[in-house]
Amino acid sequence: NAGVTQTPKFRVLKTGQSMTLLCAQDMNHEYMYWYRQDPGMGLRLIHYSVGEGTTAKGEVPDGYNVSRLKKQNFLLGLESAAPSQTSVYFCASSYSRRRGGSTDTQYFGPGTRLTVL
Amino acid sequence: AQRVTQPEKLLSVFKGAPVELKCNYSYSGSPELFWYVQYSRQRLQLLLRHISRESIKGFTADLNKGETSFHLKKPFAQEEDSAMYYCALSGEIQGAQKLVFGQGTRLTINP
Repeated sequence: NAGVTQTPKFRVLKTGQSMTLLCAQDMNHEYMYWYRQDPGMGLRLIHYSVGEGTTAKGEVPDGYNVSRLKKQNFLLGLESAAPSQTSVYFCASSYSRRRGGSTDTQYFGPGTRLTVL
Repeated sequence: AQRVTQPEKLLSVFKGAPVELKCNYSYSGSPELFWYVQYSRQRLQLLLRHISRESIKGFTADLNKGETSFHLKKPFAQEEDSAMYYCALSGEIQGAQKLVFGQGTRLTINP
């Protein structure tokens, strides 16, 4: 049981290049999330998915696209990278609800450190 | 609007001293509050949640709805507590359950 995995761990891009970050989870979670972590800003939600085939915008979606073709995978794409997208990207997953209706714990991946020159 | 505020970016205390990491929130409904922790070179993980009313690694946090706070406390800090701590609020936002994170507090425990 690997939990949440992210590929790649590190990447350096030039402005204008494109790339895709892959997130995979083996816990059969319905919900998946992409966050970016910047100093002094905490974690900010980019996009999320509440189930296979569905995606929705989070707090900072501009410049990113996502797809959830399979329940276990959530892809984050940068079509034309910009220096402002230099960040650490975290994927997370969770069940939609715990028993009793409370929010389930989000399980995080190890992160992808992206630098855009 | 849903918001979580952690007023201290950095907090440094000596080993054995009490530690309190502050968290204030704003949310129109009935919130669920969490503390997540990120140790050096490890992934972010849940530390505790207010509905569990549990103590994890000696840490406790009480939800104070009157003061809209969820401060994290530990009576005697240990060096292994050095980490980045995030307070988070879960609420229904735009039809889905989401977490809103604070800016984080980097806690350093000095020997």
